Amino acid sequence: EAQLVESGGDLVQPGGSLRLSCVGSGFTFTAYSMNWARQAPGKGLEWISYITSDTSTINYADSVKGRFTISRDNAKNSLYLQMSSLRAEDTAVYYCFTSRYWGQGTLVSVSS
Amino acid sequence: QSALTQPASVSGSPGQSITISCTGTSSDVGNFNHVSWYQQHPGKAAKLLIYDVSKWSSGVSNRFSGSKSGNTASLTISGLQAEDEAHYYCSSYTTSSTWVFGGGTKLTVL
Repeated sequence: EAQLVESGGDLVQPGGSLRLSCVGSGFTFTAYSMNWARQAPGKGLEWISYITSDTSTINYADSVKGRFTISRDNAKNSLYLQMSSLRAEDTAVYYCFTSRYWGQGTLVSVSS
Repeated sequence: QSALTQPASVSGSPGQSITISCTGTSSDVGNFNHVSWYQQHPGKAAKLLIYDVSKWSSGVSNRFSGSKSGNTASLTISGLQAEDEAHYYCSSYTTSSTWVFGGGTKLTVL
């Protein structure tokens, strides 16, 4: 069965850094552009970053631009999100997704 | 990129059918068939129901169906059940190589 599994969520202090991972299985990972989205407590879903299969195109939402970096390792069927200069408003469940698959999410809490 | 427009709430009685609309623009919904729908119960992770406008994600009941006309996508739930009470979100790929989500719709089963 095809699935995306995120990991790496944690409690981190404001200004800190964190790296999220997303591993794909059961489908051809290299066939898909990948994305990260997030959902803050009590809020709706927000797209935050996109990367093509060959990494030639990368885009970010304004809310994370300059602080977050998306990357992927196709040999490991893995997607990453390096987050730095974290703020309280970055507290959310983070999901990885493609046009066809959606992960179960990992929780990032930013608090002192 | 503005969020896709969904009604804040819809309601229906058990057994009825309801439709949730998702209105975008020619830069997103109207230009691509990468439109998805998600279901989220309180306190739970969002779950993918429909992808590429009308294709079912694995294990999803065929009571859920998706369609699109112009800049508006729709999710129809037939044979409404109490367990369908949840929030529903739509999303679309855009001409900027980004994705955009709708604000969400709360479905109440009366």
